[in-house]
Amino acid sequence: QSALTQPASVSGSPGQSITISCTGTSSDVGGYNYVSWYQQHPGKAPKLMIYDVTNRPSGVSNRFSGSKSGNTASLTISGLQAEDEADYYCNSYTTSTTLVVFGGGTKLTVV
Amino acid sequence: EVQLVESGGGLVQPGGSLRLSCSASGLNVSSNYMSWVRQAPGKGLEWVSVIYSGGGSTYYADSVEGRFTVSRDDSKNTLYLQMNSLRAEDTAVYYCARERGTYLYYFDYWGQGTLVTVSS
Repeated sequence: QSALTQPASVSGSPGQSITISCTGTSSDVGGYNYVSWYQQHPGKAPKLMIYDVTNRPSGVSNRFSGSKSGNTASLTISGLQAEDEADYYCNSYTTSTTLVVFGGGTKLTVV
Repeated sequence: EVQLVESGGGLVQPGGSLRLSCSASGLNVSSNYMSWVRQAPGKGLEWVSVIYSGGGSTYYADSVEGRFTVSRDDSKNTLYLQMNSLRAEDTAVYYCARERGTYLYYFDYWGQGTLVTVSS
């Protein structure tokens, strides 16, 4: 069982916005502004989309944005496009011995 | 351009050993925090190990502590993961990645991964 909880799947239509949640505890998501998000297409390596809750690496579309409230972080994708269909993972710093924790992943379907 | 290229994966019997390599270009493994992250078939991501820059302190997930060893060869700019006493549950794609962040938790560069299958 993953340390961070994500919905197994979400879906949206092209042009719409969707939000993926990532729930942890005060030892990880809630305690620090150190949450990141990754996009993974089938058979490919994960790609960093958001770090430090809200920051986008150079080259990542501004359609991707991050936020956090309490123990839950969120990734919002606006103006959905077909190529956004992928798996999305959150991860956070943690004070546990694990040092790094990931969410279980969310499959985004663009219908 | 940063490139990380893993190799060394394959089929190994339970209890066996395997050494993975991650050859880096565009960054120096010695001056970066380098990690291994794995993904079992159809499953999520799991952090495995990290080696710190400079002095090279190492840390491991509880699931591999005592069985896996991370190291690097600065002259070859290559990261390694020595995996011993392998179990079926170690079957996964293993990625090397650069770890970043004030508290070291996110990964900005990833290799393409190498598949390790533990089966008799």
